[in-house]
Amino acid sequence: GENVEQHPSTLSVQEGDSAVIKCTYSDSASNYFPWYKQELGKRPQLIIDIRSNVGEKKDQRIAVTLNKTAKHFSLHITETQPEDSAVYFCAASLSGYSTLTFGKGTMLLVSP
Amino acid sequence: DAMVIQNPRYQVTQFGKPVTLSCSQTLNHNVMYWYQQKSSQAPKLLFHYYDKDFNNEADTPDNFQSRRPNTSFCFLDIRSPGLGDAAMYLCATSYRQAGETQYFGPGTRLLVL
Repeated sequence: GENVEQHPSTLSVQEGDSAVIKCTYSDSASNYFPWYKQELGKRPQLIIDIRSNVGEKKDQRIAVTLNKTAKHFSLHITETQPEDSAVYFCAASLSGYSTLTFGKGTMLLVSP
Repeated sequence: DAMVIQNPRYQVTQFGKPVTLSCSQTLNHNVMYWYQQKSSQAPKLLFHYYDKDFNNEADTPDNFQSRRPNTSFCFLDIRSPGLGDAAMYLCATSYRQAGETQYFGPGTRLLVL
């Protein structure tokens, strides 16, 4: 089955800095890669996703890149703000056939 | 607004006393999922329904059961809760033919005394 590794487990940055979270996956057939943000005590919320037919996707301060050859994908947050502080989960699946496999999460702390 | 709703938001039960958590959705999604999430961990999939087709994860304890009486509702039954079952239980939905984007409900936090 699919295995997703996520690094780092914690990340501390200063407000305004960039943050990068990286994930690797094991199943080359996986073709759907979402990122979820979970604030303390709240539900995971989808912030961005990418499918294997594109290499990069951007939404304002958030971007995701995908390298299918190396089987890794990354979340990039620019101009971080204190409200970006949360746990971020990456995930992978084969769309239409399998359920999501989550990474273990990254706790991002943005200090003012 | 279309959404995923979970009730109750907080549930306190006694050790060994059966408890049922509920989830409803107005998204008309054909897949519903139940996850267990413990502190500082990723959500752990317990089972999911694709329409009426039930799919159990191999490591889901027999103590956990689920029912999906119709498209909109799904229930999680914990037959004999133990202290280790205290967790946040998340329901999620997706529409399989449109990719696997999952939308989560707010969760039910279960406390076992």
